[in-house]
Amino acid sequence: DQQVKQNSPSLSVQEGRISILNCDYTNSMFDYFLWYKKYPAEGPTFLISISSIKDKNEDGRFTVFLNKSAKHLSLHIVPSQPGDSAVYFCAATSNTGKLIFGQGTTLQVKP
Amino acid sequence: EAGVAQSPRYKIIEKRQSVAFWCNPISGHATLYWYQQILGQGPKLLIQFQNNGVVDDSQLPKDRFSAERLKGVDSTLKIQPAKLEDSAVYLCASSPRGGGGIEKLFFGSGTQLSVL
Repeated sequence: DQQVKQNSPSLSVQEGRISILNCDYTNSMFDYFLWYKKYPAEGPTFLISISSIKDKNEDGRFTVFLNKSAKHLSLHIVPSQPGDSAVYFCAATSNTGKLIFGQGTTLQVKP
Repeated sequence: EAGVAQSPRYKIIEKRQSVAFWCNPISGHATLYWYQQILGQGPKLLIQFQNNGVVDDSQLPKDRFSAERLKGVDSTLKIQPAKLEDSAVYLCASSPRGGGGIEKLFFGSGTQLSVL
């Protein structure tokens, strides 16, 4: 039972262009959503989050959009940089505090 | 500020052997988590401690996995006996409070386990 799904295993974009990573969820009890970024041989690091009462949160080059009716969120990176190349995990949680992660999307930004 | 420390970084064992992983969370963090990340999948929570008490161990295979957090600080995760399907990266994470909301988890670099 995959409650959080990232259907694109990989994404490749050119430096300077927009990267859009997508995530779908099934549990309507989720009320917080987070994105983590993971480099090889390192643990995931927190990137950005959004509460279910919002539909957008922005932090520098990173913006997360939430569409509750579609149970869908996306992470936009503009402009993309080679240093953004990593695995991106979408995660969701409810008031239990238990984080449920998606499978991850590997982003490659080409110079 | 020191991050979450884990050891060893890599471990190779044969099936049916036992193995233990160690984690030292960020100082002062009340909550400690062990996650299992199988190749191609996202991290899956195995167990969550709040101080030295267990909050959630619903996905811990208790017939072979055990974990403890003595004195509410560092923690060990043990597998005995190991199976081939236990091959994964074992990630330890900590957070200041735990218990819901947008609380950032701080992850260690993980222990990569290969069971042959």
